[in-house]
Amino acid sequence: AQRVTQPEKLLSVFKGAPVELKCNYSYSGSPELFWYVQYSRQRLQLLLRHISRESIKGFTADLNKGETSFHLKKPFAQEEDSAMYYCALSGLGNQGGKLIFGQGTELSVKP
Amino acid sequence: EAQVTQNPRYLITVTGKKLTVTCSQNMNHEYMSWYRQDPGLGLRQIYYSMNVEVTDKGDVPEGYKVSRKEKRNFPLILESPSPNQTSLYFCASSTRRGTGELFFGEGSRLTVL
Repeated sequence: AQRVTQPEKLLSVFKGAPVELKCNYSYSGSPELFWYVQYSRQRLQLLLRHISRESIKGFTADLNKGETSFHLKKPFAQEEDSAMYYCALSGLGNQGGKLIFGQGTELSVKP
Repeated sequence: EAQVTQNPRYLITVTGKKLTVTCSQNMNHEYMSWYRQDPGLGLRQIYYSMNVEVTDKGDVPEGYKVSRKEKRNFPLILESPSPNQTSLYFCASSTRRGTGELFFGEGSRLTVL
């Protein structure tokens, strides 16, 4: 079964500390992995996708097929990073934008 | 401005009173979808549509209906709402064979008493 697991509901760090939001997935084929972010009172938006291998707002994520993980990392957290983060998987290529979301992790960056 | 628009944004209703949440996108996207967001459960897909007149069930379709008569609109219908449908609902759209980037509406917070 396809599944995305984010084990932490809440992650609290101090400004300037490194942050890692964990994401593990279960999928038998070749998945596409994404991170979406939802800032307070804003709509969900795409943060980054693994195929782009890019860094957005200082965040990076590497797809580790051996560990079936796609953890989101940032070396120095900022207060404006406080938000809800969702890991998502797209494994059904013929269905285009069908995504399976994890439960979400709330990141709180304290001053 | 490219966007997904949902209405109403907030609604309080009573059990059994039919309601419709509208969703419209102006990006000519073929794919549209409805999600509900609940604490601890993340986003769960209710229904999705690959194109006009093509809809299919997501993970939690019970108690909901949808229609896709026009490409831009994808309304979510609750024929007989119940308290367990109290939730935050999101509509989203994307290109059919896109890279998985979904464009989301701002959400509709529904309370069923």
